Amino acid sequence: SQQGEEDPQALSIQEGENATMNCSYKTSINNLQWYRQNSGRGLVHLILIRSNEREKHSGRLRVTLDTSKKSSSLLITASRAADTASYFCASDNTDKLIFGTGTRLQVFP
Amino acid sequence: DVKVTQSSRYLVKRTGEKVFLECVQDMDHENMFWYRQDPGLGLRLIYFSYDVKMKEKGDIPEGYSVSREKKERFSLILESASTNQTSMYLCASSLSGVQYNEQFFGPGTRLTVL
Repeated sequence: SQQGEEDPQALSIQEGENATMNCSYKTSINNLQWYRQNSGRGLVHLILIRSNEREKHSGRLRVTLDTSKKSSSLLITASRAADTASYFCASDNTDKLIFGTGTRLQVFP
Repeated sequence: DVKVTQSSRYLVKRTGEKVFLECVQDMDHENMFWYRQDPGLGLRLIYFSYDVKMKEKGDIPEGYSVSREKKERFSLILESASTNQTSMYLCASSLSGVQYNEQFFGPGTRLTVL
């Protein structure tokens, strides 16, 4: 399987803390994307980082990419209860995306 | 905003039934995808389509077929539903021919096969 993996599988933190999720993938990529999924719903695109970029910011999100290690991380700063969701990385393989297994984030008020 | 809709949020079917899951997108996207999502396994690609009447097998096509007669609609068909096809089914669409292929997802259909 080409499927990526995410670490940790689950993460519980208090509001205001930072949350870091890691992703590893297996093939060379054009870009890597992160998606969020609220319980029982579809996925929503959060941020995309191209293969020639090393870091990208969007609001409270910070994504890093290390193509030599085939890994990426997503940092959510100053977390809020509303950030509670599952987060998936997806590596670009032509027009297809290969999704990781996801990290379940729980943010307690 | 791009909108991807799926015909049902919840569906209960019996073993052996033929099941149709419908997906419609309203942004003229060329690419459409069907995934299934199971706990601990993430999203797995079943089938995808780059254009009308075109289809490509994904990672787990066995037991499924698809139909794309119109650009905006992509149907997933379970010819004879089995209990191991109980899952969350997610449809997505994206533009083609661009380097950054963000996918837009529907809300999902939770299918239970009894």
